Amino acid sequence: DTAVSQTPKYLVTQMGNDKSIKCEQNLGHDTMYWYKQDSKKFLKIMFSYNNKELIINETVPNRFSPKSPDKAHLNLHINSLELGDSAVYFCASSRTQGRANVLTFGAGSRLTVL
Amino acid sequence: KQEVTQIPAALSVPEGENLVLNCSFTDSAIYNLQWFRQDPGKGLTSLLLIQSSQREQTSGRLNASLDKSSGRSTLYIAASQPGDSATYLCAVHKAAGNKLTFGGGTRVLVKP
Repeated sequence: DTAVSQTPKYLVTQMGNDKSIKCEQNLGHDTMYWYKQDSKKFLKIMFSYNNKELIINETVPNRFSPKSPDKAHLNLHINSLELGDSAVYFCASSRTQGRANVLTFGAGSRLTVL
Repeated sequence: KQEVTQIPAALSVPEGENLVLNCSFTDSAIYNLQWFRQDPGKGLTSLLLIQSSQREQTSGRLNASLDKSSGRSTLYIAASQPGDSATYLCAVHKAAGNKLTFGGGTRVLVKP
């Protein structure tokens, strides 16, 4: 199936731990994103990579570090997890084509920090 | 800074009624506006994309309008069905930069 897939879907961990969420897309897109959806359901962009290069880096703590080994993968590593990091993290991808930029989203990874 | 607002936050209608979902944005310098659907525990599905030069887009029972100068978009869903129950999100693509700014969503419940 062509899709954006993220793993794990659920992640429960203790404060202070380090964790990673992986994302892969097989759509041939050149841009990938990480969005965070908080408890109030607001979706906010965190990072965007185009052809493995970071192009958007919103005001996100340094504890969050994205890594894009190739165009099809964008992983998110989080150090020293805090309670406020609990959220659903969505990966997305798109093909840059003029002004049209339809995003395809993954199913989300729900992170719970205890 | 672009801000996107969706009203109402929640909407409950009986099956068969038409749905009207509103989205407003503060900065009219946009490339396009997208409407998404989010089901519980699932990702987002793109429903319609309206370019900044367009006034509306239609797909089946869905029709989205865009008034860029006033910073508004409306999503109409005709003859609602229980399967339309979901959260609907609008997002605007800025003219500069490659990111979408999302509204808070409207949670829709269509009762059989």
